[in-house]
Amino acid sequence: AQSVTQLGSHVSVSEGALVLLRCNYSSSVPPYLFWYVQYPNQGLQLLLKYTSAATLVKGINGFEAEFKKSETSFHLTKPSAHMSDAAEYFCAVTSSKDDKIIFGKGTRLHILP
Amino acid sequence: DTGVSQDPRHKITKRGQNVTFRCDPISEHNRLYWYRQTLGQGPEFLTYFQNEAQLEKSRLLSDRFSAERPKGSFSTLEIQRTEQGDSAMYLCASSPIGANVLTFGAGSRLTVL
Repeated sequence: AQSVTQLGSHVSVSEGALVLLRCNYSSSVPPYLFWYVQYPNQGLQLLLKYTSAATLVKGINGFEAEFKKSETSFHLTKPSAHMSDAAEYFCAVTSSKDDKIIFGKGTRLHILP
Repeated sequence: DTGVSQDPRHKITKRGQNVTFRCDPISEHNRLYWYRQTLGQGPEFLTYFQNEAQLEKSRLLSDRFSAERPKGSFSTLEIQRTEQGDSAMYLCASSPIGANVLTFGAGSRLTVL
């Protein structure tokens, strides 16, 4: 069975600082990996996805993630945090052999002024 | 394209009552998914449809839960004899076949008193 583990249920960074949200996956087949963001009182939105093409994936709002097979990781980064980045972020996994997407428990990102 | 619509946005009910949620997916999306999200957790897969066929149902979904998508367009999720443990946000998402990307609605929050 596929799964993802997000390290840290809460992460706080100062405005302008690097954002790093960690995600490790488990999959017996080549995975497809995603990051979704959920702003307060809004539905989940896709930030970026990895589907076996380039290992460094760029998403919306300046976010990017790198697929590292040797580390089974897909960490999300942004060079400079903005107050508007405060939200909950979910890592998710599926594969070409599966139709459902499995989500992690989420990491709430707090931006400090 | 008006996105994925869910109704009602919030439902408060007494234990033992039945509730029904409706989801209208993006019109050209063949697949429709239901997830449940509780506080501090990521979305948990419940079930999904391809057109009108229900292709998979999670073991999390007890016999009190039933979902339908009769004409391959909108879907309903019914919970019979609600329990306090059913209190959660019920999320609907849709996608084209093979796209592996979900578009989520804003969710229907259920509170069981």
